[in-house]
Amino acid sequence: TQLLEQSPQFLSIQEGENLTVYCNSSSVFSSLQWYRQEPGEGPVLLVTVVTGGEVKKLKRLTFQFGDARKDSSLHITAAQPGDTGLYLCAGGSSYKLIFGSGTRLLVRP
Amino acid sequence: KAGVTQTPRYLIKTRGQQVTLSCSPISGHRSVSWYQQTPGQGLQFLFEYFSETQRNKGNFPGRFSGRQFSNSRSEMNVSTLELGDSALYLCASSLGLRDRVGEQFFGPGTRLTVL
Repeated sequence: TQLLEQSPQFLSIQEGENLTVYCNSSSVFSSLQWYRQEPGEGPVLLVTVVTGGEVKKLKRLTFQFGDARKDSSLHITAAQPGDTGLYLCAGGSSYKLIFGSGTRLLVRP
Repeated sequence: KAGVTQTPRYLIKTRGQQVTLSCSPISGHRSVSWYQQTPGQGLQFLFEYFSETQRNKGNFPGRFSGRQFSNSRSEMNVSTLELGDSALYLCASSLGLRDRVGEQFFGPGTRLTVL
């Protein structure tokens, strides 16, 4: 069974701080996606990484895919209250996505 | 381009009843996936359809079923509802690739409450 473990589960930080969220698995995935979900809404895709060692940057967000394609990290620089939400990683496997348990981030003004 | 739409947004049913949820994908997307989201289990894959064919199914009992129509719209059905079926049911659409599901775009979900 393929599982994705995310850490930490909860994170409460002050505006302006940096943070890193981790997504780990014992299985290899063909691709890994990161989503953000806000209350009452469906997850919104942030990025897809497909190549081992790949690094993608979206403004203050930096995503990295592990060399062995088993793990990924999301780093946010100078967090803002608008970054508050549930961050989910998801591994692609045979026509489905396997989601991690999520990291709930609260950025306090 | 219109996003993924799901109807209804909220639903209250009693144990033993059945329910049908509907999903309209983004125009041009041929793959529709369904997920169940609960506080305890997180997001769990139910099934995925591509061109009216189910390509993959998650570990859910046979009470959960789905189908896809020729216009890519999809429905899922849950029969003999149980209290534990209370959840947010999310539909996601994607272009659908031959060997993988690809990037998915989610609808707002249907919040099902079973009393």
